[in-house]
Amino acid sequence: GQNIDQPTEMTATEGAIVQINCTYQTSGFNGLFWYQQHAGEAPTFLSYNVLDGLEEKGRFSSFLSRSKGYSYLLLKELQMKDSASYLCAVPLNNQGGKLIFGQGTELSVKP
Amino acid sequence: EPEVTQTPSHQVTQMGQEVILRCVPISNHLYFYWYRQILGQKVEFLVSFYNNEISEKSEIFDDQFSVERPDGSNFTLKIRSTKLEDSAMYFCASSEVSGTYNEQFFGPGTRLTVL
Repeated sequence: GQNIDQPTEMTATEGAIVQINCTYQTSGFNGLFWYQQHAGEAPTFLSYNVLDGLEEKGRFSSFLSRSKGYSYLLLKELQMKDSASYLCAVPLNNQGGKLIFGQGTELSVKP
Repeated sequence: EPEVTQTPSHQVTQMGQEVILRCVPISNHLYFYWYRQILGQKVEFLVSFYNNEISEKSEIFDDQFSVERPDGSNFTLKIRSTKLEDSAMYFCASSEVSGTYNEQFFGPGTRLTVL
């Protein structure tokens, strides 16, 4: 079976750094996605990791450890607009490439 | 920038009625998906579609659900006889390729409310 775990919610201060963790158990592995979802809106792509290590993209970075079944999303220089839900998702190893999503981590950025 | 569009943005229906949710995927994409998200819960896969047929469907996607690509641009999800528990946000997504790297672009969603 497949299982993805993320903290339900986190709070951080504007300008700070926050790390959102994700652990997964899947029967196969084809990489891991992070999506951002503002309330009432669609998920939007943030990052994709398939190899171990850190991928940096501006204020956002994503890390993967395949041996530990672990990923994190790092957000630097937090802005109020970063308040959103952050979704960890894995594609399964079959045709169609469906995504299995975690519950999402609701991040609140305070002034 | 190309985007996935969905109509309507909000649909209210009575239990037992049929609804059709419409999506226009990105034009050069070949793989299409429907997901749903019940309020406060995670995004759940419903069905994937490629080459005019269903590639995979979840256990949620029972006989009450169907998908169709009636022309070269639209991709629809039909629920034949809606139930209260079908109330959710329905997202359409599309991607260029399947397999390992599969960035799926999501539409803005249709909020379905079943009364």
